[in-house]
Amino acid sequence: TQLLEQSPQFLSIQEGENLTVYCNSSSVFSSLQWYRQEPGEGPVLLVTVVTGGEVKKLKRLTFQFGDARKDSSLHITAAQPGDTGLYLCAGEGNTGNQFYFGTGTSLTVIP
Amino acid sequence: DAGVTQSPTHLIKTRGQQVTLRCSPISGHKSVSWYQQVLGQGPQFIFQYYEKEERGRGNFPDRFSARQFPNYSSELNVNALLLGDSALYLCASSLTGANYGYTFGSGTRLTVV
Repeated sequence: TQLLEQSPQFLSIQEGENLTVYCNSSSVFSSLQWYRQEPGEGPVLLVTVVTGGEVKKLKRLTFQFGDARKDSSLHITAAQPGDTGLYLCAGEGNTGNQFYFGTGTSLTVIP
Repeated sequence: DAGVTQSPTHLIKTRGQQVTLRCSPISGHKSVSWYQQVLGQGPQFIFQYYEKEERGRGNFPDRFSARQFPNYSSELNVNALLLGDSALYLCASSLTGANYGYTFGSGTRLTVV
């Protein structure tokens, strides 16, 4: 089993603050994806990172894939209440026939 | 264009019963995956099907089975339900697999009493 550990597990911040969520594994992944999930809904894909060291930006969100392709981070600048949700990293296993989700980070942005 | 649709949205079953959950992928998507999500945790991979063949299986007991039909829709079956099977069951579709990213349905909330 390829585990993806996320930290922190819970995060509660004030609107306008910055935050970083980490996704770590002892295994190498060919790619990693980040999803955001709201209560009662399925996860929604935010980004896919493929190349070690890759940085992708999506408005106020910045995603980075570690050089060794074992870890990733999500940085949110000037968080908004609409950013509230469960953030999940995910990746495909070495054999290509299993897809693993991280443990999740529950973010609450207080107005 | 319709997204991934799952039915039913909510379901209550008694221990020992059997349940069938259904999923229709996005038009053109040939890969369907199933996940179990317990409250407060990330989804756990159950099955992946591509072109009607099982391509991957997670660490779930044999009580869990699935199949994919010629129109690429899919069913997840769970036999001999246990209380611990209570969860949100998510279906996701993609063109071919993980590299294109998955589009998820809103899930079926299963409660076993």
